[in-house]
Amino acid sequence: DSGVTQTPKHLITATGQRVTLRCSPRSGDLSVYWYQQSLDQGLQFLIQYYNGEERAKGNILERFSAQQFPDLHSELNLSSLELGDSALYFCASSQWTSGEDEQFFGPGTRLTVL
Amino acid sequence: DQQVKQNSPSLSVQEGRISILNCDYTNSMFDYFLWYKKYPAEGPTFLISISSIKDKNEDGRFTVFLNKSAKHLSLHIVPSQPGDSAVYFCAASSDDKIIFGKGTRLHILP
Repeated sequence: DSGVTQTPKHLITATGQRVTLRCSPRSGDLSVYWYQQSLDQGLQFLIQYYNGEERAKGNILERFSAQQFPDLHSELNLSSLELGDSALYFCASSQWTSGEDEQFFGPGTRLTVL
Repeated sequence: DQQVKQNSPSLSVQEGRISILNCDYTNSMFDYFLWYKKYPAEGPTFLISISSIKDKNEDGRFTVFLNKSAKHLSLHIVPSQPGDSAVYFCAASSDDKIIFGKGTRLHILP
């Protein structure tokens, strides 16, 4: 158990819909990262928040957005969903924001877009 | 444009022997390199990391080697154990991003 929780575990929805994925970081961790893992793309870094502020941006689509709240939990919002958005979405947390920081991953949310 | 490449999708190694997983990168600006291990239905877990100013880091059965001139790193696991069967991701990070490879599935054979 990494200490990072993600809800829901599974999500099935239709194209065009909007969903929200939730992540609670490990106690004391200030950074939250979001990743997408699809079959042929490996783990793709989407976005990082540090202490409520956006810190780094990866390959995140404009249809996707995220935020980190004062209690440090984070939400990833995916809108106008397409079939290709079906993937595993992982959240990870780390204490600080250095590139050497070990990240602790949650169990993931499996999103299926039909 | 794949900045971090793990060219072997899978690898099979006899139990007790050495497992060597390879990773190549293209961007010389990366500061740190990390290896993560992933079991099915679980999130990745951190294994070992190395700073770009070092060429070797060892932690128990796991050693990571970094060859900056070749932009290549490798993870050595010795001796390999059945519980090492998993997918291994190489990652490279700089100040503003982290890039993961696509992973190598390691099978430890009895």
